[in-house]
Amino acid sequence: EAGVTQFPSHSVIEKGQTVTLRCDPISGHDNLYWYRRVMGKEIKFLLHFVKESKQDESGMPNNRFLAERTGGTYSTLKVQPAELEDSGVYFCASSQGGAQPQHFGDGTRLSIL
Amino acid sequence: EDQVTQSPEALRLQEGESSSLNCSYTVSGLRGLFWYRQDPGKGPEFLFTLYSAGEEKEKERLKATLTKKESFLHITAPKPEDSATYLCAVQAATNAGKSTFGDGTTLTVKP
Repeated sequence: EAGVTQFPSHSVIEKGQTVTLRCDPISGHDNLYWYRRVMGKEIKFLLHFVKESKQDESGMPNNRFLAERTGGTYSTLKVQPAELEDSGVYFCASSQGGAQPQHFGDGTRLSIL
Repeated sequence: EDQVTQSPEALRLQEGESSSLNCSYTVSGLRGLFWYRQDPGKGPEFLFTLYSAGEEKEKERLKATLTKKESFLHITAPKPEDSATYLCAVQAATNAGKSTFGDGTTLTVKP
């Protein structure tokens, strides 16, 4: 069984540019989550999809972040425009049920210059 | 607000020297507590889920326990390959899905 896959693994962009991260969950997992870890801090929740619907987006920092999951399969997280404080590692996870263990991808390391 | 505190921040052990990692939590009704292992450059890898006080889970040299305020990850006779960061996370009963993580404990096991 393929695990959670994230693209790209690394991204370096300049402040003000746009970046789109992609996540392919484990096949059959309706629940998809985005988290991020900024330097020296703990992993923090961003949002939760159930199929194509946003179940909880309480962790999204501001309106420069847009997450989509069209068709309930893969998800994208767009940052536009990127700011210096957006640097960090963005993790995607998926699970079968909302209270089930979450399986994580290896993350996208985002650096804003 | 849900909170998770892990201690110690770092732990260095000799191979075969058993020890425990602590995860203290406050949550408005616990749905589940999760332990993960994370290797450098990788995502968290699921180890255990604990749902109620008194519950215990075991896997190889690892054993996780849960009380109403904290969880312990006991490591028996560790090996160098057990070196990693161990993360604890909780989910509240009112918000299944959202996990609140601690900062982790970085374990180094010397041969």
